[in-house]
Parts: sequence; structure tokens; C-alpha cells
Amino acid sequence: NAGVTQTPKFRVLKTGQSMTLLCAQDMNHEYMYWYRQDPGMGLRLIHYSVGEGTTAKGEVPDGYNVSRLKKQNFLLGLESAAPSQTSVYFCASSYTASTGYTFGSGTRLTVV
Amino acid sequence: ILNVEQSPQSLHVQEGDSTNFTCSFPSSNFYALHWYRWETAKSPEALFVMTLNGDEKKKGRISATLNTKEGYSYLYIKGSQPEDSATYLCAFISPGNAGNMLTFGGGTRLMVKP
Repeated sequence: NAGVTQTPKFRVLKTGQSMTLLCAQDMNHEYMYWYRQDPGMGLRLIHYSVGEGTTAKGEVPDGYNVSRLKKQNFLLGLESAAPSQTSVYFCASSYTASTGYTFGSGTRLTVV
Repeated sequence: ILNVEQSPQSLHVQEGDSTNFTCSFPSSNFYALHWYRWETAKSPEALFVMTLNGDEKKKGRISATLNTKEGYSYLYIKGSQPEDSATYLCAFISPGNAGNMLTFGGGTRLMVKP
């Protein structure tokens, strides 16, 4: 049982480049989330999904897009990367609000 | 944006000391409170999910209490060990939150010296 798997683990992008971060979970969880973690800012929600085919904006959605075409996968896209998007990105999933989130191991993204 | 605050921001204790830290959240709009343990270079791991006023949860030497009327939760560690060194996060869910979205506090970083 792998839990939540994020790929890639590390990436360096040039300003203006695009990329997609993949999150995959094998626990049949309905809810999936993308957070970013910045020094002094804690974890902030970018986008989330309450089920296959649904997505919604979180606290800091600008510059990101997401898709949930399959229940087990939640993709985070950066269309035109900016240095302000340098961060560590965490994906998480949950079954209900009464159960804790399961987090992936994170993706460290640097935009130069 | 909901305000979830944790104190202290960091804490240094000696091995064997017992310690506690605080999470404050909006008392007027409560659904659930989560605690996570986050070791350096790893991902956060769920410790407790608390939903009822007066809840007390325990896992080994770690326990937590919840007061929804006044909007706070305490996390206690009895007899701290070096392996307890981590950042402890609390996170809050408000009712009517269709996505079960957690709003996280800034964390308390605990360092236990041998």
C-alpha cells in the first residue's frame, strides 16, 4: 500500500516554463488537496477536489491549474512558472473530515 | 481566511521533560481539529482528529485535549525523547466546508536535547 505518491521529488524550472506535478493515491479517497509550504507561512491550500471530475480553488490558487480526471490522480499544473512559485508542494488525500489527511513526501520546486 | 495560531513557535527541552503547546482556533465555527507530527525531510503524519468538546486523545506518551467553547487545544508530550523532535501542526475544519479543507497553524517546532 503506497499511500500518496508525488512525482517528481525535485525540479528546477526556468521562469516561463511549464510543468505538471502528479499526485497519486491508492486508498480510494474522495478528497485530494494541493498545499504549498513556504518558510514562515505554514501550509497553504492551492486547490482541492471533492471527487473525480471536480476541482475548486483554495487560498492561493493564482498561477496554478488542477485536474482530477481519475479518482486516484490529482494533477497540479504551472503554465508559466514564476520565481514566486519556488516552494515545497505537498499533496494530501482524505476519506472524511473525521479521518486525518495522508500526505505525500513533497515536491521541491525551484524557479530561476 | 480562518485564523489558527500555535504557540510557542519553537521549544527546546531536555530529554525526560514533559511539555505542552497550544493551538487556538475560531470557537464560533467548529467542526474538527487535527494534530500532525512533521519530522524534518518527511511529510506530516496524522496524530489525532478531534471533533467533540472535551475530547481527550492519547497515543503513547502524546495526548491532546480540546475545548471548542473557548477555541483551544493542547498537545502534551510526557517524558520527551530525542525522537519526539519535530514540528507539531494543528489544523482546523469549519462546518459547511464541502471539501473538508484544513486550515493549518504555523506549527510548534520541538527540539529535544539528549
